[in-house]
Amino acid sequence: GAGVSQSPSNKVTEKGKDVELRCDPISGHTALYWYRQSLGQGLEFLIYFQGNSAPDKSGLPSDRFSAERTGGSVSTLTIQRTQQEDSAVYLCASSAQWGNQETQYFGPGTRLLVL
Amino acid sequence: KNEVEQSPQNLTAQEGEFITINCSYSVGISALHWLQQHPGGGIVSLFMLSSGKKKHGRLIATINIQEKHSSLHITASHPRDSAVYICAVSWTGNQFYFGTGTSLTVIP
Repeated sequence: GAGVSQSPSNKVTEKGKDVELRCDPISGHTALYWYRQSLGQGLEFLIYFQGNSAPDKSGLPSDRFSAERTGGSVSTLTIQRTQQEDSAVYLCASSAQWGNQETQYFGPGTRLLVL
Repeated sequence: KNEVEQSPQNLTAQEGEFITINCSYSVGISALHWLQQHPGGGIVSLFMLSSGKKKHGRLIATINIQEKHSSLHITASHPRDSAVYICAVSWTGNQFYFGTGTSLTVIP
């Protein structure tokens, strides 16, 4: 079946603009995760969803970042007033159930470049 | 905060060699994952461990909860194993902390 998909695959934007990144998880997967991987850095956890609910938003880097999930499926990560330090690959993953012992399936990522 | 350290950072091996990648963490955890990231960025989950040992093909992962340490072994390494291997840990909830990765290159 189809894996996790993300769009756009690449996004170039100007500093100060807002961007929306989309994640389509594997159908039926309850849990959805957003991560960020900056150039030369490791993976950084941003937020996860159990269904449509995000119990822990503490990983979001600033209040310019927000995420939502509707219908227990598609999720959108929004970055307002983008800064150059937001440039990174944003990865989405989903798992069948929520729980840290579940296998996560990763999308291909959205490569964001803020000029 | 849970610190996750991986070693080595970079590893070059000849095809056929036995490879070990290590992961240490500072706080007791409930789950540890090993991930593989190929050039081009795609990430694949290899193992989830909460105790003991798991094997999948030529890959073996072990965890020692008391010593807060996990190892990923690759037997009979092959050039297609060349990738970045990432350790991720979680202890409560679903927040994960990642090591910086081990870049493996297997030379034919």
